[in-house]
Amino acid sequence: ETGVTQSPTHLIKTRGQQVTLRCSSQSGHNTVSWYQQALGQGPQFIFQYYREEENGRGNFPPRFSGLQFPNYSSELNVNALELDDSALYLCASSRPTSGKTYEQYFGPGTRLTVT
Amino acid sequence: AQTVTQSQPEMSVQEAETVTLSCTYDTSENNYYLFWYKQPPSRQMILVIRQEAYKQQNATENRFSVNFQKAAKSFSLKISDSQLGDTAMYFCAFITPSSTGANSKLTFGKGITLSVRP
Repeated sequence: ETGVTQSPTHLIKTRGQQVTLRCSSQSGHNTVSWYQQALGQGPQFIFQYYREEENGRGNFPPRFSGLQFPNYSSELNVNALELDDSALYLCASSRPTSGKTYEQYFGPGTRLTVT
Repeated sequence: AQTVTQSQPEMSVQEAETVTLSCTYDTSENNYYLFWYKQPPSRQMILVIRQEAYKQQNATENRFSVNFQKAAKSFSLKISDSQLGDTAMYFCAFITPSSTGANSKLTFGKGITLSVRP
């Protein structure tokens, strides 16, 4: 069983640029959630994708957007990067109908640094 | 609003001893699930243990066990026989299922840094 993978591992961008982060969900999982984790803090929910549609969003501006593909992989796009966007971005997959009590399985994260 | 509070920013324990990490939460929901996640320096968030709110029996997973007090909205994690590999940040989190089953987000606390001393 393949776990959740994310790419790239880390990247550095300049303020105002755009970035795309990628996530492959665990085999058999149809739901992907994205979280932002600032240094020394707990993860904050950005949004969730279920069956290729956004299905819940946290308190993040519209310049944070995403996609989910038919194979359930997902992208997180951030436009007009700001310094405060520097963080670890975590992707988590789940399969709510599996009876696994809504467990979410996390990828290793992408460390984004905005200069 | 749903919140999770972890008031201890750091803890230290001697190898082979027992340590308890505290967590309180606030929600108006009656059906929810509680989790403890471990995040070592490698950054991978690993599920340690889960507890269903409707179950009175405390969950146990090998050296890890919880003390779930629903009325007090308290959910502490006990680690027995601490090992060097337990050194990590530990996050308390909960989720409240929606009617669709899919629209569920994890709400995390700020985490606690646990150091196991040799």
